[in-house]
Amino acid sequence: AIRITQSPSSLSASTGDRVTITCRASQGISSYLAWYQQKPGKAPKLLIYAASTLQSGVPSRFSGSGSGTDFTLTISCLQSEDFATYYCQQYYSYPPTFGGGTKVEIK
Amino acid sequence: EVQLVESGGGLVQPGGSLRLSCAASGFTFSDHYMDWVRQAPGKGLEWVGRTRNKANSYTTEYAASVKGRFTISRDDSKNSLYLQMNSLKTEDTAVYYCARAIKYSSGWLTDYWGQGTLVTVSS
Repeated sequence: AIRITQSPSSLSASTGDRVTITCRASQGISSYLAWYQQKPGKAPKLLIYAASTLQSGVPSRFSGSGSGTDFTLTISCLQSEDFATYYCQQYYSYPPTFGGGTKVEIK
Repeated sequence: EVQLVESGGGLVQPGGSLRLSCAASGFTFSDHYMDWVRQAPGKGLEWVGRTRNKANSYTTEYAASVKGRFTISRDDSKNSLYLQMNSLKTEDTAVYYCARAIKYSSGWLTDYWGQGTLVTVSS
């Protein structure tokens, strides 16, 4: 199975900050990477797929980049509603695998 | 509006069985691959398995951790997805999510998730 290493596992930030989360795949996955946001007690929500395509309805302050093995999720100007846990997932090959998650907390 | 509603979770003893259901609405269920994903308490997400659609012969894929114990099935006439879980272990304790998969380029990714149902395996 492809391993996905996500970092950092947590971070503290303030409203208005720029935040970057990275995922590294153990082998090349082209652009078959998605990003999800999960709030406590809620289901994950798709933010970005194909590494950089914004899901409909997702604010433009979210962006994704990368291909091959290295990927980045950037939140350009953190809002209060963005405090959550973020996961990346590769869907290049079975089994689809997730990164360990990044908890974005209020500083 | 896409809706996925899971049911059937609960407390079960190790070695026991449980069947989860997922009722889908708001989209053409028969067109989509469907997934089960789980999340142990306080932990990250783990993909459990997938059923493809009729056009792909309803074939299934499973995570190694559940293969041979869990079975995914679907009934397109009822817009329903199922997860039969046998020989349950304490490490299967988790919230189980039903999720819809969509095709983009040549890959299938999950775009909508239900709210989940909690399965607790304990004596």
